Amino acid sequence: EDKVVQSPLSLVVHEGDTVTLNCSYEVTNFRSLLWYKQEKKAPTFLFMLTSSGIEKKSGRLSSILDKKELFSILNITATQTGDSAVYLCAVETGTASKLTFGTGTRLQVTL
Amino acid sequence: DTAVSQTPKYLVTQMGNDKSIKCEQNLGHDTMYWYKQDSKKFLKIMFSYNNKELIINETVPNRFSPKSPDKAHLNLHINSLELGDSAVYFCASSQDGTGLRVLAFGSGTRLTVV
Repeated sequence: EDKVVQSPLSLVVHEGDTVTLNCSYEVTNFRSLLWYKQEKKAPTFLFMLTSSGIEKKSGRLSSILDKKELFSILNITATQTGDSAVYLCAVETGTASKLTFGTGTRLQVTL
Repeated sequence: DTAVSQTPKYLVTQMGNDKSIKCEQNLGHDTMYWYKQDSKKFLKIMFSYNNKELIINETVPNRFSPKSPDKAHLNLHINSLELGDSAVYFCASSQDGTGLRVLAFGSGTRLTVV
């Protein structure tokens, strides 16, 4: 059975801190790994990673995938209160693009 | 034990047909959702039910009708299917409460309309 595990489950940091969120997976027929930010309603798409070692960057957020060690990290630098959210990792597998979600990391950024 | 389960996992059907997707959660959550994932991987909410009551209804054609017989089930019925309905549909659930909600997702139903 495909498994996606995220850590930590929750995190409280001060504004300005840098955080690293982890996602490890055990799946068959890997296609891609995706990160979402979930606030009030719909999770918003952040990154899709398919190749090892290539960092994807968007502003203060960046992510990288290691297909040998089967994990990905999501980095957020200079955190702001608006970064408070649940960050979801999902792995896409198979020819029909099944998505398996991790349980999420709840990040709270305080002043 | 699967927390949020959807059936079927795959559905291929012809234009104009009517089909249903079922969702059940055994987490004791109060709120259930339907999301549609488009080809760019964006997840868009369609509906949300809390204790069998509709609380979110985004701009979705009225060919889509959710039904919640009890708080553990939220089914999605689609009438007169169109090509543009082809997507992956995710069911999710969450426990009501203040602050950030964590959604538990089902594994998705890939709908292909031909």
